[in-house]
Amino acid sequence: GQSLEQPSEVTAVEGAIVQINCTYQTSGFYGLSWYQQHDGGAPTFLSYNALDGLEETGRFSSFLSRSDSYGYLLLQELQMKDSASYFCAVRDDILTGGGNKLTFGTGTQLKVEL
Amino acid sequence: GAVVSQHPSWVICKSGTSVKIECRSLDFQATTMFWYRQFPKQSLMLMATSNEGSKATYEQGVEKDKFLINHASLTLSTLTVTSAHPEDSSFYICSLTPSGDGATDTQYFGPGTRLTVL
Repeated sequence: GQSLEQPSEVTAVEGAIVQINCTYQTSGFYGLSWYQQHDGGAPTFLSYNALDGLEETGRFSSFLSRSDSYGYLLLQELQMKDSASYFCAVRDDILTGGGNKLTFGTGTQLKVEL
Repeated sequence: GAVVSQHPSWVICKSGTSVKIECRSLDFQATTMFWYRQFPKQSLMLMATSNEGSKATYEQGVEKDKFLINHASLTLSTLTVTSAHPEDSSFYICSLTPSGDGATDTQYFGPGTRLTVL
């Protein structure tokens, strides 16, 4: 079956750096994405890795190691507004009609404190 | 980025009634849309893949006769929860990738619909 495991909760202080890990086991793999979701809101896209290595987008970076079936999201210079849930997601199928079929991880609740 | 709307944003209904949720792409076309369900403090679970002009593909364990999906055009997909029961109360979210944007893997989500069945 498909499984993507994340820590359920992470707490950090404002200005710090935090890493959210994701280990996956899926039938197919075409890339690892990260999404942020605030309470009651829709998920928003943060980052995507199709190949091994680090992708940097402003304060957010994402890393992938396909041989280890592992990735992480790195958040730097934490701000209070970063308090949210973070989900990794594997693109596990390529659809002939287009679109990206995603399987989402268990989610990590990040709490940023003063 | 792409704009995706959902209507209604929230709905409360009595047990046994049917509820229709619309997912609309406002500024681009999408051959494929996805419907997810999310229970409180849990992850997004894919329910089905909605294909324009053809039948939806349902994930294992999702009843196709209970969750009717119609993808009538390249900008509109609807999810109808038939004979809703309290256990169907959840946050329903649609998403899509603009046609031709498969390489970036960006998926745009609607704002979600909060369904409460009494």
